[in-house]
Amino acid sequence: DGGITQSPKYLFRKEGQNVTLSCEQNLNHDAMYWYRQDPGQGLRLIYYSQIVNDFQKGDIAEGYSVSREKKESFPLTVTSAQKNPTAFYLCASTPRGGGPRTEAFFGQGTRLTVV
Amino acid sequence: DAKTTQPPSMDCAEGRAANLPCNHSTISGNEYVYWYRQIHSQGPQYIIHGLKNNETNEMASLIITEDRKSSTLILPHATLRDTAVYYCIVRPWYSGGGADGLTFGKGTHLIIQP
Repeated sequence: DGGITQSPKYLFRKEGQNVTLSCEQNLNHDAMYWYRQDPGQGLRLIYYSQIVNDFQKGDIAEGYSVSREKKESFPLTVTSAQKNPTAFYLCASTPRGGGPRTEAFFGQGTRLTVV
Repeated sequence: DAKTTQPPSMDCAEGRAANLPCNHSTISGNEYVYWYRQIHSQGPQYIIHGLKNNETNEMASLIITEDRKSSTLILPHATLRDTAVYYCIVRPWYSGGGADGLTFGKGTHLIIQP
């Protein structure tokens, strides 16, 4: 079945360490997105990519980095510069261009806890 | 900033219709209205979308006003499993190029009461 997979579901890291969250999709979608969600809050956009080898900062990109070397993969690195990295991270993808199915698909999220 | 406004929370009795409003007064002619829901600690799930006509699928109905400035998501027979945060967003039906970042607000926390 086509879908979008995030791994791991839970992740623990010590303060000051960089950590990379995985996001893979086999939907042949061109666009991919990373969001951060804090308790009781909505989704805030970190980075997005419309096409391979290109990405743009979202609303809260500071302390994060991404790469888009392959269409199906969009990993997110939470660096030590991120002041409050503990959060629920969601990855999403959408098809690029028009068509009957344009909705976003989301992964099940990675809950990162920094201690 | 999100382009939509939703009430922060709503209650509905089990078995009744849940009507969730969304205001999108600045919607553009090429933007669709999309609804998603997020059950606690899971990724959001697509429900339905529409441009200007009312839409219905196996999950819900979407009613869009004639001026397209607001819409209502209807869950016809709410169950306890429908308790979730519901997000209304607007975006162009095509994506690609420009700053199409899929902006979400805080949504409406719908609580279905037994």
